[in-house]
Amino acid sequence: AQSVTQPDIHITVSEGASLELRCNYSYGATPYLFWYVQSPGQGLQLLLKYFSGDTLVQGIKGFEAEFKRSQSSFNLRKPSVHWSDAAEYFCAVGPNRDDKIIFGKGTRLHILP
Amino acid sequence: DAGVIQSPRHEVTEMGQEVTLRCKPISGHNSLFWYRQTMMRGLELLIYFNNNVPIDDSGMPEDRFSAKMPNASFSTLKIQPSEPRDSAVYFCASSSPGAAFFGQGTRLTVV
Repeated sequence: AQSVTQPDIHITVSEGASLELRCNYSYGATPYLFWYVQSPGQGLQLLLKYFSGDTLVQGIKGFEAEFKRSQSSFNLRKPSVHWSDAAEYFCAVGPNRDDKIIFGKGTRLHILP
Repeated sequence: DAGVIQSPRHEVTEMGQEVTLRCKPISGHNSLFWYRQTMMRGLELLIYFNNNVPIDDSGMPEDRFSAKMPNASFSTLKIQPSEPRDSAVYFCASSSPGAAFFGQGTRLTVV
Protein backbone atom coordinates (compact mmCIF):
# COMPACT_ATOMS: atom_id res chain seq x y z
CA ALA A 1 0.00 0.00 0.00
CA GLN A 2 1.21 3.48 -0.72
CA SER A 3 2.27 5.60 2.22
CA VAL A 4 4.12 8.78 3.04
CA THR A 5 6.42 9.35 6.00
CA GLN A 6 7.49 12.72 7.26
CA PRO A 7 9.92 11.85 10.05
CA ASP A 8 10.08 15.31 11.61
CA ILE A 9 6.97 16.52 13.42
CA HIS A 10 8.50 19.90 14.25
CA ILE A 11 11.43 21.78 12.72
CA THR A 12 12.83 25.08 14.01
CA VAL A 13 15.18 27.23 11.96
CA SER A 14 16.38 30.78 12.18
CA GLU A 15 15.17 33.35 9.70
CA GLY A 16 17.57 33.45 6.77
CA ALA A 17 18.83 29.93 7.34
CA SER A 18 18.42 27.12 4.84
CA LEU A 19 15.68 24.54 5.20
CA GLU A 20 15.19 20.91 4.29
CA LEU A 21 12.04 18.99 5.14
CA ARG A 22 12.20 15.25 4.70
CA CYS A 23 9.69 13.03 2.98
CA ASN A 24 9.87 9.32 2.22
CA TYR A 25 7.27 7.41 0.30
CA SER A 26 6.35 3.81 -0.29
CA TYR A 27 4.87 2.92 -3.64
CA GLY A 28 5.37 0.15 -6.13
CA ALA A 29 5.70 2.26 -9.24
CA THR A 30 6.85 5.80 -9.90
CA PRO A 31 4.48 7.91 -7.87
CA TYR A 32 3.16 11.38 -8.37
CA LEU A 33 4.55 13.52 -5.55
CA PHE A 34 3.38 16.78 -4.05
CA TRP A 35 4.23 19.26 -1.34
CA TYR A 36 1.50 21.38 0.22
CA VAL A 37 1.66 24.15 2.82
CA GLN A 38 -1.02 24.96 5.36
CA SER A 39 -1.09 28.23 7.27
CA PRO A 40 -3.14 28.39 10.49
CA GLY A 41 -6.87 28.34 9.82
CA GLN A 42 -6.35 27.86 6.11
CA GLY A 43 -6.68 25.10 3.60
CA LEU A 44 -3.74 23.42 1.92
CA GLN A 45 -1.94 25.24 -0.86
CA LEU A 46 0.09 23.42 -3.49
CA LEU A 47 3.79 24.34 -3.41
CA LEU A 48 5.08 22.02 -6.12
CA LYS A 49 4.59 18.66 -7.78
CA TYR A 50 6.59 15.97 -9.54
CA PHE A 51 5.17 13.76 -12.26
CA SER A 52 8.12 12.90 -14.48
CA GLY A 53 11.20 14.39 -16.12
CA ASP A 54 13.67 16.57 -14.28
CA THR A 55 13.99 15.27 -10.74
CA LEU A 56 14.56 18.76 -9.31
CA VAL A 57 11.31 20.71 -9.37
CA GLN A 58 10.77 24.34 -8.60
CA GLY A 59 7.72 25.60 -6.80
CA ILE A 60 6.18 28.77 -5.53
CA LYS A 61 7.58 30.94 -2.73
CA GLY A 62 11.18 29.94 -3.55
CA PHE A 63 10.77 26.27 -2.64
CA GLU A 64 12.22 23.33 -4.55
CA ALA A 65 12.17 19.57 -4.10
CA GLU A 66 14.26 16.73 -5.43
CA PHE A 67 12.95 13.29 -6.31
CA LYS A 68 15.44 10.54 -5.50
CA ARG A 69 14.15 7.17 -6.61
CA SER A 70 17.00 5.23 -4.99
CA GLN A 71 16.13 6.71 -1.60
CA SER A 72 12.35 6.86 -2.11
CA SER A 73 12.57 10.46 -1.03
CA PHE A 74 11.15 13.80 -2.09
CA ASN A 75 12.70 16.36 0.24
CA LEU A 76 11.63 19.99 0.23
CA ARG A 77 14.27 22.72 0.36
CA LYS A 78 14.56 26.46 0.56
CA PRO A 79 17.90 28.30 0.64
CA SER A 80 16.77 31.10 2.97
CA VAL A 81 13.57 31.02 5.01
CA HIS A 82 11.42 34.00 5.86
CA TRP A 83 9.23 34.44 8.95
CA SER A 84 6.19 34.08 6.70
CA ASP A 85 7.24 30.50 5.90
CA ALA A 86 6.16 29.38 9.38
CA ALA A 87 3.38 26.87 8.66
CA GLU A 88 2.71 23.17 8.40
CA TYR A 89 4.06 21.33 5.37
CA PHE A 90 2.59 18.16 3.94
CA CYS A 91 4.16 15.74 1.55
CA ALA A 92 1.72 13.67 -0.50
CA VAL A 93 1.73 10.84 -3.01
CA GLY A 94 -0.73 9.73 -5.65
CA PRO A 95 -0.80 6.81 -8.06
CA ASN A 96 -1.74 9.10 -10.92
CA ARG A 97 -2.46 12.72 -11.44
CA ASP A 98 -6.14 12.79 -10.62
CA ASP A 99 -6.56 9.81 -8.35
CA LYS A 100 -6.68 9.97 -4.59
CA ILE A 101 -3.78 11.63 -2.85
CA ILE A 102 -2.37 10.27 0.40
CA PHE A 103 -0.80 12.75 2.79
CA GLY A 104 1.96 12.46 5.35
CA LYS A 105 1.35 13.56 8.93
CA GLY A 106 2.94 16.94 8.28
CA THR A 107 5.94 18.88 9.58
CA ARG A 108 5.34 22.07 11.49
CA LEU A 109 7.97 24.69 10.70
CA HIS A 110 8.86 27.29 13.32
CA ILE A 111 11.00 30.31 12.45
CA LEU A 112 13.23 32.03 15.00
CA PRO A 113 13.75 35.77 14.52
CA ASP B 1 -12.39 31.10 -10.53
CA ALA B 2 -13.15 31.50 -6.83
CA GLY B 3 -11.53 28.20 -5.93
CA VAL B 4 -13.14 25.42 -3.94
CA ILE B 5 -15.91 26.83 -1.78
CA GLN B 6 -17.01 25.16 1.42
CA SER B 7 -19.83 26.04 3.73
CA PRO B 8 -20.29 26.63 6.51
CA ARG B 9 -16.83 27.70 7.73
CA HIS B 10 -17.73 26.84 11.29
CA GLU B 11 -20.42 24.58 12.68
CA VAL B 12 -21.24 23.90 16.30
CA THR B 13 -23.88 21.28 16.94
CA GLU B 14 -25.13 19.07 19.71
CA MET B 15 -24.44 15.39 19.85
CA GLY B 16 -27.08 13.41 17.99
CA GLN B 17 -27.91 16.15 15.51
CA GLU B 18 -27.51 15.82 11.77
CA VAL B 19 -24.74 17.87 10.20
CA THR B 20 -24.39 18.64 6.49
CA LEU B 21 -21.21 20.07 5.03
CA ARG B 22 -21.25 21.51 1.53
CA CYS B 23 -18.68 21.89 -1.20
CA LYS B 24 -18.58 23.57 -4.59
CA PRO B 25 -15.57 22.35 -6.58
CA ILE B 26 -13.64 24.30 -9.17
CA SER B 27 -15.47 24.29 -12.47
CA GLY B 28 -14.08 21.72 -14.88
CA HIS B 29 -12.41 19.57 -12.25
CA ASN B 30 -13.25 15.89 -12.57
CA SER B 31 -12.37 14.62 -9.11
CA LEU B 32 -13.60 15.67 -5.70
CA PHE B 33 -12.22 14.62 -2.34
CA TRP B 34 -13.40 14.89 1.26
CA TYR B 35 -10.70 14.91 3.95
CA ARG B 36 -10.86 15.13 7.71
CA GLN B 37 -8.06 16.70 9.74
CA THR B 38 -7.45 16.19 13.45
CA MET B 39 -4.43 16.64 15.65
CA MET B 40 -4.33 12.95 16.49
CA ARG B 41 -4.85 11.42 13.06
CA GLY B 42 -3.65 14.12 10.70
CA LEU B 43 -5.25 14.43 7.26
CA GLU B 44 -7.43 11.45 6.38
CA LEU B 45 -9.10 10.83 3.04
CA LEU B 46 -12.74 9.98 3.65
CA ILE B 47 -14.11 9.54 0.14
CA TYR B 48 -13.45 10.66 -3.38
CA PHE B 49 -15.56 11.02 -6.51
CA ASN B 50 -14.56 10.98 -10.14
CA ASN B 51 -17.06 12.41 -12.63
CA ASN B 52 -19.64 12.52 -9.82
CA VAL B 53 -19.29 8.79 -9.10
CA PRO B 54 -17.95 7.61 -5.71
CA ILE B 55 -14.74 5.71 -6.42
CA ASP B 56 -13.37 4.93 -3.00
CA ASP B 57 -15.23 5.39 0.28
CA SER B 58 -13.02 3.12 2.35
CA GLY B 59 -12.01 6.05 4.52
CA MET B 60 -15.52 6.81 5.68
CA PRO B 61 -15.36 5.99 9.38
CA GLU B 62 -18.79 4.40 9.76
CA ASP B 63 -22.34 4.35 8.51
CA ARG B 64 -23.12 7.61 10.22
CA PHE B 65 -21.13 9.30 7.45
CA SER B 66 -22.46 9.64 3.93
CA ALA B 67 -21.45 11.72 0.92
CA LYS B 68 -23.19 12.60 -2.29
CA MET B 69 -22.31 14.39 -5.49
CA PRO B 70 -25.56 14.97 -7.39
CA ASN B 71 -23.83 17.03 -10.08
CA ALA B 72 -20.43 18.31 -11.11
CA SER B 73 -20.75 21.51 -9.11
CA PHE B 74 -21.92 20.33 -5.72
CA SER B 75 -21.17 17.75 -3.06
CA THR B 76 -22.31 17.15 0.49
CA LEU B 77 -20.91 15.25 3.43
CA LYS B 78 -23.50 14.31 6.01
CA ILE B 79 -23.05 13.01 9.54
CA GLN B 80 -26.15 11.56 11.20
CA PRO B 81 -26.15 11.30 14.15
CA SER B 82 -23.12 13.39 15.05
CA GLU B 83 -20.84 12.52 17.99
CA PRO B 84 -18.20 14.55 19.85
CA ARG B 85 -15.42 12.45 18.28
CA ASP B 86 -16.48 13.78 14.88
CA SER B 87 -15.14 17.19 15.86
CA ALA B 88 -12.49 18.08 13.28
CA VAL B 89 -11.79 20.26 10.29
CA TYR B 90 -13.32 18.83 7.13
CA PHE B 91 -11.73 19.77 3.83
CA CYS B 92 -13.07 19.42 0.36
CA ALA B 93 -10.66 19.38 -2.56
CA SER B 94 -11.10 19.13 -6.30
CA SER B 95 -8.60 18.21 -8.96
CA SER B 96 -7.99 18.11 -12.63
CA PRO B 97 -4.99 16.16 -13.90
CA GLY B 98 -2.23 17.95 -12.07
CA ALA B 99 -3.02 18.47 -8.42
CA ALA B 100 -5.73 18.87 -5.86
CA PHE B 101 -6.93 22.29 -4.75
CA PHE B 102 -8.38 22.67 -1.30
CA GLY B 103 -11.18 24.70 0.17
CA GLN B 104 -10.81 26.63 3.40
CA GLY B 105 -12.40 23.85 5.42
CA THR B 106 -15.32 23.54 7.79
CA ARG B 107 -14.45 23.43 11.47
CA LEU B 108 -17.01 21.14 13.10
CA THR B 109 -17.50 21.06 16.84
CA VAL B 110 -19.91 18.53 18.30
CA VAL B 111 -20.75 19.18 21.94
